[in-house]
Amino acid sequence: QSVLTQPPSVSGTPGQRVTMSCSGSRSNIGDYTVNWYQQVPGTAPKLLIFTNNQRPSGVPDRFSGSKSGTSASLAISGLLSEDEADYYCAAWDDGLNGWVFGGGTKLTVL
Amino acid sequence: VQLQESGPGLVKPSKTLSLTCTVSGGSMNGDYWSWIRQPPGKGLEWIGYIYYNGGTSYSPSLQSRVTLSVDTSKNQFFLRLNSVTTADTAIYYCARGGGWLSPTGYIWFDPWGKGTLVTVSS
Repeated sequence: QSVLTQPPSVSGTPGQRVTMSCSGSRSNIGDYTVNWYQQVPGTAPKLLIFTNNQRPSGVPDRFSGSKSGTSASLAISGLLSEDEADYYCAAWDDGLNGWVFGGGTKLTVL
Repeated sequence: VQLQESGPGLVKPSKTLSLTCTVSGGSMNGDYWSWIRQPPGKGLEWIGYIYYNGGTSYSPSLQSRVTLSVDTSKNQFFLRLNSVTTADTAIYYCARGGGWLSPTGYIWFDPWGKGTLVTVSS
């Protein structure tokens, strides 16, 4: 059972907008920023969003992040087949004194 | 900056898992460096981070078995996990980041190495 809760799966069709959630508590998302990672099957995770809503250089603006209270969300607009991957949220947790991850959300592009 | 993990792919139960992460294309100075693992078909688990000056922080669930070290002269940092069991079978990733840098806060993991699969089996 992961400390951060993510839906196991979401799906969408090409061109559609999808969102996925990441739910935590005061000790993690409530007090610290959230980062999102994309993991294409068979490859290493890649930073997608940092500090709640910032995109690293090279990440398309189709990807956006937000945070409110003890929850965060990732939105992907203009869905492409190449977006099919697992998405993980992460935050520092000062109760556990360490990084915690969500269990991951598998995005399927239909 | 690029990172590359190396080490044995097979470790016997009760023995020590030892991995090296080699950093290329930049200096390790001023940064935090982390280890993260992923059991086959499962999610990500943070193991710990080490600061370039040797300061460390470990996951509470692994703290009794983990040691991280660094050799900035060789641009390498290291993971040792002792008394391994089959539950430690995973892809092990090294990454830059993990610790607190003021005023930014806790630093995200970027970039990551490609990962190395370590299987614990007799």
